[in-house]
Amino acid sequence: SQTIHQWPATLVQPVGSPLSLECTVEGTSNPNLYWYRQAAGRGLQLLFYSVGIGQISSEVPQNLSASRPQDRQFILSSKKLLLSDSGFYLCAWGRVTEAFFGQGTRLTVV
Amino acid sequence: KNQVEQSPQSLIILEGKNCTLQCNYTVSPFSNLRWYKQDTGRGPVSLTIMTFSENTKSNGRYTATLDADTKQSSLHITASQLSDSASYICVVNGNNRLAFGKGNQVVVIP
Repeated sequence: SQTIHQWPATLVQPVGSPLSLECTVEGTSNPNLYWYRQAAGRGLQLLFYSVGIGQISSEVPQNLSASRPQDRQFILSSKKLLLSDSGFYLCAWGRVTEAFFGQGTRLTVV
Repeated sequence: KNQVEQSPQSLIILEGKNCTLQCNYTVSPFSNLRWYKQDTGRGPVSLTIMTFSENTKSNGRYTATLDADTKQSSLHITASQLSDSASYICVVNGNNRLAFGKGNQVVVIP
């Protein structure tokens, strides 16, 4: 059954506009949470991971930020989008035997 | 520092050839390791799961190996096909938490 929710599924935003992608998890507490991005024609790139509320680790310098205001909520944000922010964004978490991935958000910056 | 490191980051291979992807981890204690395949724009799909006592496991043309002593795993793709072009993610479970690798991007060319 689905235990991770990510929205929206698709998003078209103009350059310079803000961004907020949300990911929520059900059925667990204190999970490790991850944001990945896949640019067109590229592999998955780990952007951020969080081991607890307010604890964010950034893997690469970029125009994005992440926050974890609640135990099971993970938010990816930007104040001003760039064309290079276009891509496919995946949220993920895991429990004992399996990792769960959201359905992804296709972001196009125009 | 991420507890799961994958190499190479990206790989281009000719159709019909074999390739091997590497996953090194520092997660401890170790419970299991999964390899996922993620097609562009879609959520990852589980290929194999390996526990401490398993050294090799196959899923069609995909064969995963695990050396729990050296904390290394590999995913071998035999007779690659164009449909093998994807990102491959290594996920390690330890102490009831999952650690995700950044992924290996594989591109198969005709």
